Amino acid sequence: QSVLTQPPSASGTPGQRVTISCSGSSSNIGSNYVYWYQQLPGTAPKLLIYRNNQRPSGVPDRFSGSKSGTSASLAISGLRSEDEADYYCAAWDDSLSGPNVVFGGGTKLTVL
Amino acid sequence: EVQLVESGGGLIQPGGSLRLSCAASGFTVSSNYMSWVRQAPGKGLEWVSVIYSGGSTYYADSVKGRFTISRDNSKNTLYLQMNSLRAEDTAVYYCARDLYDWGQGTLVTVSS
Repeated sequence: QSVLTQPPSASGTPGQRVTISCSGSSSNIGSNYVYWYQQLPGTAPKLLIYRNNQRPSGVPDRFSGSKSGTSASLAISGLRSEDEADYYCAAWDDSLSGPNVVFGGGTKLTVL
Repeated sequence: EVQLVESGGGLIQPGGSLRLSCAASGFTVSSNYMSWVRQAPGKGLEWVSVIYSGGSTYYADSVKGRFTISRDNSKNTLYLQMNSLRAEDTAVYYCARDLYDWGQGTLVTVSS
């Protein structure tokens, strides 16, 4: 059971806009930045969003992130077939035993 | 260009030890915080450990007391010493710089 909660699946048709939610708590999302990753089958995770809503160079502006309180979301507009992948949210967590990174369980995005 | 190359994975019996390496190029390991993240087959991402630029280290509860993260500044390489390995440690292990850049991963299989 993951500390951050994501829907296990999401879907959309080409050109549509889809959003993936990520719910946490005051010790993680509520007080730290959120990261989003895309993982294609058999490959390493790739950073899509950092610091809640910043895109690394090379990531299309079709991908956007937002955060409000203890929740965050990833939006993908103009959905394309190559966006079919697993998506993970992550955040640092200020636990009593020391800082650690918590992940969501991942959302499998299907492009219909 | 930032590059991270993990090595050292393989098949190991329960109770055994293994040391993973992560050779870095394009940046200085000691100037960043470096993490290990693992992914069990068919499962999501799980943070394992971090070493900060100042040398502080932190671990997930699941590996505390068994795994040790370290770095060799002269070789610009990150390590993960894994002792008392269990079947549930079976996973692809990724090293990551600042949670931004990730290596391709190395597979550790713990089985008799």
